[in-house]
Amino acid sequence: AQSVTQLGSHVSVSEGALVLLRCNYSSSVPPYLFWYVQYPNQGLQLLLKYTTGATLVKGINGFEAEFKKSETSFHLTKPSAHMSDAAEYFCAVSRGTGGGNKLTFGTGTQLKVEL
Amino acid sequence: ETGVTQSPTHLIKTRGQQVTLRCSSQSGHNTVSWYQQALGQGPQFIFQYYREEENGRGNFPPRFSGLQFPNYSSELNVNALELDDSALYLCASSLNRNRWEVAYEQYFGPGTRLTVT
Repeated sequence: AQSVTQLGSHVSVSEGALVLLRCNYSSSVPPYLFWYVQYPNQGLQLLLKYTTGATLVKGINGFEAEFKKSETSFHLTKPSAHMSDAAEYFCAVSRGTGGGNKLTFGTGTQLKVEL
Repeated sequence: ETGVTQSPTHLIKTRGQQVTLRCSSQSGHNTVSWYQQALGQGPQFIFQYYREEENGRGNFPPRFSGLQFPNYSSELNVNALELDDSALYLCASSLNRNRWEVAYEQYFGPGTRLTVT
């Protein structure tokens, strides 16, 4: 079975500071990993994904994530936080049995950006 | 290009009733997945449809059922509603080459907020 653990249900940073949201996965096969963002009262928007190839993945809005197999991690970073980054972020894995791109999500991290 | 749309936006039902939620997939997408997101939680996979056939199911009871139509739109039906069914129901679509494809990203709709009283 595959699973995702997001460390820290709430993260607070100052505007302009580094954003680091942690995600660790558990999967018996090489995983496909995704980060989604959810703004209040909205659906999920894809930030970036890792399938194969380069382990450093760049996404939208200046976010990037690095797949580290040895650490089973896929942490999300952004060099400089902006007020508009305040939202909930979900890490997800897609590599279950039976096929199909079914996503298993973490419990989410609420990012707060302060002036 | 039209994104994923869901209807209704909100609804309130009474325990024991039945509800149908609807989803129109993004143009050209042949796969629809449904997720339940309880307050403060991550989305939980309910089931997926690929070209009108169910393609996997999560840990939800049989009173959660679905359909996918020839135009690839989809319905989620929930019978005998329980208080714990109160949640945001998300529909996501993708264009998959086959039913085993795992890499394609899913595009989410805005969700339907269901409240069961």
